[in-house]
Amino acid sequence: GAGVSQSPSNKVTEKGKDVELRCDPISGHTALYWYRQSLGQGLEFLIYFQGNSAPDKSGLPSDRFSAERTGGSVSTLTIQRTQQEDSAVYLCASSSPGLLNSPLHFGNGTRLTVT
Amino acid sequence: GESVGLHLPTLSVQEGDNSIINCAYSNSASDYFIWYKQESGKGPQFIIDIRSNMDKRQGQRVTVLLNKTVKHLSLQIAATQPGDSAVYFCAERVGGGKLIFGQGTELSVKP
Repeated sequence: GAGVSQSPSNKVTEKGKDVELRCDPISGHTALYWYRQSLGQGLEFLIYFQGNSAPDKSGLPSDRFSAERTGGSVSTLTIQRTQQEDSAVYLCASSSPGLLNSPLHFGNGTRLTVT
Repeated sequence: GESVGLHLPTLSVQEGDNSIINCAYSNSASDYFIWYKQESGKGPQFIIDIRSNMDKRQGQRVTVLLNKTVKHLSLQIAATQPGDSAVYFCAERVGGGKLIFGQGTELSVKP
């Protein structure tokens, strides 16, 4: 079966440009998460969706970051006016519905480089 | 804020030996814990999980131990193989929602 799919796998952009990162969760997973991982570091939580709503967006670093989810499936993370410190791997994960404690299944991430 | 931390940033073991990776957590309300393995260029891969009402859980070649008294979590890998070389993360969850990850331990297996 298909896992979590993220696109693009790599993105190089110039400082000041906007970028959109896409996540296709596992079919049927209602919970979707975005994390950021800087080189050699752990995972930093950004935002969490349950269906199309985001009960926890506490990890978004600034108002340049936003995310949406439509149809309870695909999610897009948008970074406006990118800065060099935004360079990182952006990871998306999804988890099964109806289970309070179920593991997150991760995609392979989008590596963002801001030049 | 709340955090999950690892005692050892790197661990080197001989092939065939057992490995133990340790993790400390700070939130006593955490009720669910997971270990992930991350290989270079890939997303974290689920290894094993444990709920707070348990103190031990076994999988294939892996065992997770939870000591709530001292807020400590460990991952034991039996008969470590070169394919086990990766970064290992522990993560905790409080009442559903987001997982909080530790900084990771790099496991290196020498043939």
